[in-house]
Amino acid sequence: QSVLTQSPSASGPPGQRVTISCSGSSSNIGTNTVKWYQQLPGTAPRLLIKSNNQRPSGVPDRFSASKSGTSASLAIGGLQSEDEADYYCAAWDDSLNGYVFGPGTKVTVV
Amino acid sequence: EVQLVESGGGLVKPGGSLRLSCAASGFSFSVVTMNWVRQAPGKGLEWVASISSHSDYISYADSMRGRCTVSRDNGKNTMYLHLSSLRADDTAVYYCTRGDPIFDYWGQGTLLTVSS
Repeated sequence: QSVLTQSPSASGPPGQRVTISCSGSSSNIGTNTVKWYQQLPGTAPRLLIKSNNQRPSGVPDRFSASKSGTSASLAIGGLQSEDEADYYCAAWDDSLNGYVFGPGTKVTVV
Repeated sequence: EVQLVESGGGLVKPGGSLRLSCAASGFSFSVVTMNWVRQAPGKGLEWVASISSHSDYISYADSMRGRCTVSRDNGKNTMYLHLSSLRADDTAVYYCTRGDPIFDYWGQGTLLTVSS
């Protein structure tokens, strides 16, 4: 059972906006920054959002993130076929004294 | 260019042990925290361990504590993960990652299969 929860899947046609949610608690998202990682099929994960809503260089600005209280969300505006991937939220957990990942959300472009 | 290359995976019998390596290049290895993250087949990501730049702060996931030891050799730009008392549910791709609290670079992973 993951400490962070995510909806298992999300989908939309090309061009649509899709939002992925990540829910945690006061010991993780509530007090620490949230990172988002993208894992394309058959590849290693890559950093998508550094800290709440900062994108590393090379990440398109159609990816944006936000946080409110103990929840966070990732939005993909203008969905593209290459966005089909698994998306994971992550944060440090002060109670567990370790990093926690969400179970991942599979995004499909239909 | 930052590169992280894992090695050492393979087939191990239950109860066995193994050492994974992560060779780093393209950055100042000795000043950054390094981490191991694993992913069981068809499953999500699980943080395993972290080691600070001079090995003075080390942390482990509860699921691995007592069965793994993370270490590093800054002279060789290499991080290690020694795994023991291996179980079938340790079967996973083990990724080496850089940074704290942001894992900004990932290696391609090395597959460890625990099976008799």
